[in-house]
Amino acid sequence: GAVVSQHPSWVICKSGTSVKIECRSLDFQATTMFWYRQFPKQSLMLMATSNEGSKATYEQGVEKDKFLINHASLTLSTLTVTSAHPEDSSFYICSPRAREAFFGQGTRLTVV
Amino acid sequence: GENVEQHPSTLSVQEGDSAVIKCTYSDSASNYFPWYKQELGKRPQLIIDIRSNVGEKKDQRIAVTLNKTAKHFSLHITETQPEDSAVYFCAASVRRGNKLVFGAGTILRVKS
Repeated sequence: GAVVSQHPSWVICKSGTSVKIECRSLDFQATTMFWYRQFPKQSLMLMATSNEGSKATYEQGVEKDKFLINHASLTLSTLTVTSAHPEDSSFYICSPRAREAFFGQGTRLTVV
Repeated sequence: GENVEQHPSTLSVQEGDSAVIKCTYSDSASNYFPWYKQELGKRPQLIIDIRSNVGEKKDQRIAVTLNKTAKHFSLHITETQPEDSAVYFCAASVRRGNKLVFGAGTILRVKS
């Protein structure tokens, strides 16, 4: 079946630095990518939806200048957490569709 | 509004007993209702889903029921096993099906 590969699986960074997370669709074309954030012991919250070749759509309360999303090709969508702070520490996970959604492996970000 | 409530937040059952998790949703236009199982540190996995034109769906030990009038749906797991222990999330489609809103999650513990 279709697979989305997410990297890195975990990352530790210092406050103020930026971190890029990649989601690659393997053997299928992803025109859309849904980016979620999951804080410890909480649910998945949709942050933004990226669309190939156009601007991403951000959910209310999500800073578009802090969470940069790029979907430049049908096989790659990236999320960059800029100027990361400890409160950005979370599990970030992507999915190429809403119905029958399947997810990347997730990225556990720890900002120290 | 877009809201999904899930109960209980934790559920402990004895191996072999049944477990029931309930969710209610607020968007009357929701027409797709998936359930996900998430083991510690891993990505959510789709275990069963139901569409609004169906009242019940079963897959071996797992079943989901939907009451559109009351706007609630439930997950039923029979003959529970220790490997069923995980966090379970319900979700409902909103925004004409292009977004999933997740419930807060239920920690299921199956005691052997």
